Amino acid sequence: NAGVTQTPKFQVLKTGQSMTLQCAQDMNHEYMSWYRQDPGMGLRLIHYSVGAGITDQGEVPNGYNVSRSTTEDFPLRLLSAAPSQTSVYFCASGRPSSYNSPLHFGNGTRLTVT
Amino acid sequence: DAKTTQPPSMDCAEGRAANLPCNHSTISGNEYVYWYRQIHSQGPQYIIHGLKNNETNEMASLIITEDRKSSTLILPHATLRDTAVYYCIVREDFQGAQKLVFGQGTRLTINP
Repeated sequence: NAGVTQTPKFQVLKTGQSMTLQCAQDMNHEYMSWYRQDPGMGLRLIHYSVGAGITDQGEVPNGYNVSRSTTEDFPLRLLSAAPSQTSVYFCASGRPSSYNSPLHFGNGTRLTVT
Repeated sequence: DAKTTQPPSMDCAEGRAANLPCNHSTISGNEYVYWYRQIHSQGPQYIIHGLKNNETNEMASLIITEDRKSSTLILPHATLRDTAVYYCIVREDFQGAQKLVFGQGTRLTINP
């Protein structure tokens, strides 16, 4: 199993550009989520999905869109990038919360917006 | 805000046991304690989790006090590759969301 795969690993955008961060998992996990990590801020939840066709907002959703058309994939879209979105983005997947099992993280996408 | 407090840094000699403490005095009865670590800028790596009983796996042991207000992660024979930031997390589940609130963690340095 590859686990959670994120692409690209690095990305530089200009302000106003759009892009999609890809996340795929091969563990048949129903739950998937996106976090961002900023220095001194820890990881903050952006959006999450409890299954295909279902998404919801986390604590910092503004400026980001998500969709979940398949169990395997959970892309994160930046419609108009801003310098404040410069961060490291992590995707995580796991079983539903009732299982009390761990989330598994990808190795991140490092995004710089100039 | 994170529900846990950890020392900012610790050192341990290679081959010795590393004991990482964590306080979570406001933990609720059905909330689990999770431990993750992050090496350099890689994604957080799951280590172990528990509710109230002590747990052990191939990576570590987790000791939870009887009142569940604190816990200790034990790496029994630390190696240089265990140098990382270790996060103690009380997972907050809300309407299906599994929210891991990462605090500042403990930067563990394993010395040769």
